[in-house]
Amino acid sequence: GEDVEQSLFLSVREGDSSVINCTYTDSSSTYLYWYKQEPGAGLQLLTYIFSNMDMKQDQRLTVLLNKKDKHLSLRIADTQTGDSAIYFCAENSGNTPLVFGKGTRLSVIA
Amino acid sequence: DGGITQSPKYLFRKEGQNVTLSCEQNLNHDAMYWYRQDPGQGLRLIYYSQIVNDFQKGDIAEGYSVSREKKESFPLTVTSAQKNPTAFYLCASGGYTGNQPQHFGDGTRLSIL
Repeated sequence: GEDVEQSLFLSVREGDSSVINCTYTDSSSTYLYWYKQEPGAGLQLLTYIFSNMDMKQDQRLTVLLNKKDKHLSLRIADTQTGDSAIYFCAENSGNTPLVFGKGTRLSVIA
Repeated sequence: DGGITQSPKYLFRKEGQNVTLSCEQNLNHDAMYWYRQDPGQGLRLIYYSQIVNDFQKGDIAEGYSVSREKKESFPLTVTSAQKNPTAFYLCASGGYTGNQPQHFGDGTRLSIL
């Protein structure tokens, strides 16, 4: 079945850029998503990208998609302590439910 | 404001008891979903529904039941057959095409007494 893999932990200094990586196996993936989860809360949709795009930028967030390698990344510029959270990568194709990675815990050091 | 409301925020279950978690959305989304989240496990799909009066099992449906009598509502019952119910439960809604992404409620934390 489909699988989405992410590294579990990332630690960065405040003001640096964070890059969270994700790989997926489903070659028919149509949309790829990034969600943020703060402690005790639900998931907040950050951004998503259609599979025919290479890049999408939204303020401090940049998503890069390498469809050939099935690799997705989320870059957060000027990382702040408020960015500390768990970040989930997810994908789906057409009308299928989302398949989630296990999440990357981002810690920002002041 | 449009959104997804889950209640209660915290729930305690006694042994042998069924409990029901509420999920309501006013986003006019066709599809609704229930996920279970355990530490270090990410999200696992319990049930989903793409249309009223129809629903499908996800990866871990055993011990759970759902109904979808109204577009806005998708309650989840955790039955006594679910032997390890302690977890964080998340409800989501979305279109079932990719350009209508899923949005999540704030979750219900279920614990055993």
